[in-house]
Amino acid sequence: SQKIEQNSEALNIQEGKTATLTCNYTNYSPAYLQWYRQDPGRGPVFLLLIRENEKEKRKERLKVTFDTTLKQSLFHITASQPADSATYLCALDGTGGYNKLIFGAGTRLAVHP
Amino acid sequence: GAVVSQHPSWVICKSGTSVKIECRSLDFQATTMFWYRQFPKQSLMLMATSNEGSKATYEQGVEKDKFLINHASLTLSTLTVTSAHPEDSSFYICSASNLNRASGRYNEQFFGPGTRLTVL
Repeated sequence: SQKIEQNSEALNIQEGKTATLTCNYTNYSPAYLQWYRQDPGRGPVFLLLIRENEKEKRKERLKVTFDTTLKQSLFHITASQPADSATYLCALDGTGGYNKLIFGAGTRLAVHP
Repeated sequence: GAVVSQHPSWVICKSGTSVKIECRSLDFQATTMFWYRQFPKQSLMLMATSNEGSKATYEQGVEKDKFLINHASLTLSTLTVTSAHPEDSSFYICSASNLNRASGRYNEQFFGPGTRLTVL
């Protein structure tokens, strides 16, 4: 069955450093991969979408890579700030097209001043 | 991004009662709304997909008679948890999306803030 894996261990980094989060998937070939931010007790907020034919996408301090051979996406936050502390979810479009997302469990990021 | 609201943000009810949760897209017309459930420290699990004016499509294992979904307009969908029990206590999140007519695919989903349901 389709499976999405994100590191369940929290990632602790120092302010100013680059945070790198990993999303691996198996038994699947998604057309899109998305990254969301979720704060405690809140709904997810869309950050970036990358298509299967794109290797890299950037948005301000965020960068996403997508390696369909490795079945992996990396999510980078450069010059991290304490305000970046949150849980980051990756999501793949499910069968039937783009209108259905399968979410990973998320990785908690804590940026320390 | 687009704004999606949910009401109420939290609700506590007695076992056996029904609870209605509203999801509204405030600044765009959403052809499709999705309902998710999230248990602590777990991923969002899709419960159902709702297209305006038609019956919802439920995911495997989700009881359609227990989780009633209505999508009467392009800006409003409701989820009613009927005869709620303590195991239904969870964080319910909706999202809204619309069809990109040029590509024929859906645009990104915009999520509501979620509703915390506690069933005593």
